Amino acid sequence: QVQLQQSGPELVKPGASVRISCKASGYTFTSYYIHWVKQRPGQGLEWIGWIYPGNVNTKYNEKFKGKATLTADKSSSTAYMQLSSLTSEDSAVYFCAREVRRGDYFDYWGHGTTLTVSS
Amino acid sequence: DIVLTQSPASLAVSLGQRATISCKASQSVDYDGDSYMNWYQQKPGQPPKLLIYAASNLESGIPARFSGSGSGTDFTLNIHPVEEEDAATYYCQQSNEDPYTFGGGTKLEIK
Repeated sequence: QVQLQQSGPELVKPGASVRISCKASGYTFTSYYIHWVKQRPGQGLEWIGWIYPGNVNTKYNEKFKGKATLTADKSSSTAYMQLSSLTSEDSAVYFCAREVRRGDYFDYWGHGTTLTVSS
Repeated sequence: DIVLTQSPASLAVSLGQRATISCKASQSVDYDGDSYMNWYQQKPGQPPKLLIYAASNLESGIPARFSGSGSGTDFTLNIHPVEEEDAATYYCQQSNEDPYTFGGGTKLEIK
């Protein structure tokens, strides 16, 4: 069965960076897009960007350019998102989600990774 | 960016009655005869769950009491008859163009 297993909660200091992982299983990792979505406490959903592991092409929401960097490791079927220069505004739950084709929908989601930025 | 405006922000519906949620896009999300609008359900502490894709297609495993309709800029999610387990927040999402965007969410309470 398809699963996206995300890394555990993170507590990091302002100004630091963090890398969140999303390990895929149950399907061909290189044939689907992986998207990342941000959700601040009690707020809605915000799209960060996508990576296509097959050719490691990426696309970012302009708002997250310079903040988020998406990578993928085909050997371990794992997608990563690095967030840099962290501030309290980055405290949120971050989800990874799968998309079959561009213009489709998110059919499977990770459980979410809670990031807390605090000194 | 395409802005999606959901209404109402919250609603309370009696058990067995109908819940109707609207999603209006700032520009058309149709292309080549298809509507690129999806609906998700999210419960506290859980990721969103796909309910409806391409405006009106029911995702596998989702009960038939959920239905979607609309095209262009106006879309609707209906739930009928509402059950206790439908208490959640519902989001529309467009995939017609980057950046993908979500509506602000509608919180459904069951009376």
